[in-house]
Amino acid sequence: GENVEQHPSTLSVQEGDSAVIKCTYSDSASNYFPWYKQELGKRPQLIIDIRSNVGEKKDQRIAVTLNKTAKHFSLHITETQPEDSAVYFCAASKGGGSNYKLTFGKGTLLTVNP
Amino acid sequence: SAVISQKPSRDICQRGTSLTIQCQVDSQVTMMFWYRQQPGQSLTLIATANQGSEATYESGFVIDKFPISRPNLTFSTLTVSNMSPEDSSIYLCSVEHPGGKETQYFGPGTRLLVL
Repeated sequence: GENVEQHPSTLSVQEGDSAVIKCTYSDSASNYFPWYKQELGKRPQLIIDIRSNVGEKKDQRIAVTLNKTAKHFSLHITETQPEDSAVYFCAASKGGGSNYKLTFGKGTLLTVNP
Repeated sequence: SAVISQKPSRDICQRGTSLTIQCQVDSQVTMMFWYRQQPGQSLTLIATANQGSEATYESGFVIDKFPISRPNLTFSTLTVSNMSPEDSSIYLCSVEHPGGKETQYFGPGTRLLVL
């Protein structure tokens, strides 16, 4: 089955700096890659996603890039703020019917220091 | 997106007992999913629940331990049977985007502590 590796496991940045989290996947049939943010004690919240027919997607301070050949995708957060502090999870799925199931990475604890 | 609720939000149970968790969504969805998140860990899919068919379980999870019901397009239950302390986790349901796309939205979770 699909395997998703996520790095780093922890990341500490100064407010205003950029943060990058990287994920690799094993199944070349995967075609949907969401990113979730989970604050302490809260549910995972979808923050951005990308499909395999797109190489990059941006939403304000957040962007995701996808390299299908290398089977990796990355989350970029610019101008980080303390409220960006959370655990971020990447995931992958093959889409379509039962293939909608998501395989998650192990998560990255992002700390933004004021 | 979708509005998803879960009951109970948390519970403390004795080993050997069972707990049924409910998941309710405000719109009709074909696919609902149940995940487990152990303390400080990632999310692991337990099973996929489609209305009108048997749930599909992932490797390592069996129906006798985690029976699932899906009586209609807005509701599902997960039962954690014959609980042990190792079952202490957060259990989350998720649903596909009401438009049928692959996006998933999560419920608030049920925090379970087994003593």
